[in-house]
Amino acid sequence: DTEVTQTPKHLVMGMTNKKSLKCEQHMGHRAMYWYKQKAKKPPELMFVYSYEKLSINESVPSRFSPECPNSSLLNLHLHALQPEDSALYLCASSFGQGAHQPQHFGDGTRLSIL
Amino acid sequence: DQQVKQNSPSLSVQEGRISILNCDYTNSMFDYFLWYKKYPAEGPTFLISISSIKDKNEDGRFTVFLNKSAKHLSLHIVPSQPGDSAVYFCAASASAGANSKLTFGKGITLSVRP
Repeated sequence: DTEVTQTPKHLVMGMTNKKSLKCEQHMGHRAMYWYKQKAKKPPELMFVYSYEKLSINESVPSRFSPECPNSSLLNLHLHALQPEDSALYLCASSFGQGAHQPQHFGDGTRLSIL
Repeated sequence: DQQVKQNSPSLSVQEGRISILNCDYTNSMFDYFLWYKKYPAEGPTFLISISSIKDKNEDGRFTVFLNKSAKHLSLHIVPSQPGDSAVYFCAASASAGANSKLTFGKGITLSVRP
């Protein structure tokens, strides 16, 4: 029973499609994160938002566009993705941004690019 | 270049026995370490953490030991239960600053046999 909710759970899209992944938390956390995880690999940080402002972008290609409309919501807009972008996309949140704050993860969106 | 290494991909133990999961790191700037547990089709769940000013932290059946000189930490689970069967990720961070972030190991799959 996760307190970070991600939708959809699964997404299949073509390389020309535009879609969005959504993440929501109501724990009052002010830091939110997007990670990408490939099979048999650890989660890799993509973006960090702190107090609704982007604070870390790990040199992610522009075909991934994050958005934080308010302190409870985090979106990841996808456009013109490549087959190698197929992965599990995890959202996380924490009380503050410092890595000494344990992060709470959602169950992820399994993304497949055709 | 992997800064957090979990060299054993899997571990199998008998129910009731001790499980010892190992993790090594190379970055001497890391000063905070966390363990996450992940079940299939779920996001990682925070388990336990330790600061570099300590060498041991205990929470119920879970104890984390840190050997800074060896750049090594271990997670002990005793007694192990079948419900502990999951993938365990070791993670580390350098500094508690606003731009600190987690670096994950590849994970260890623990199987606890009834």
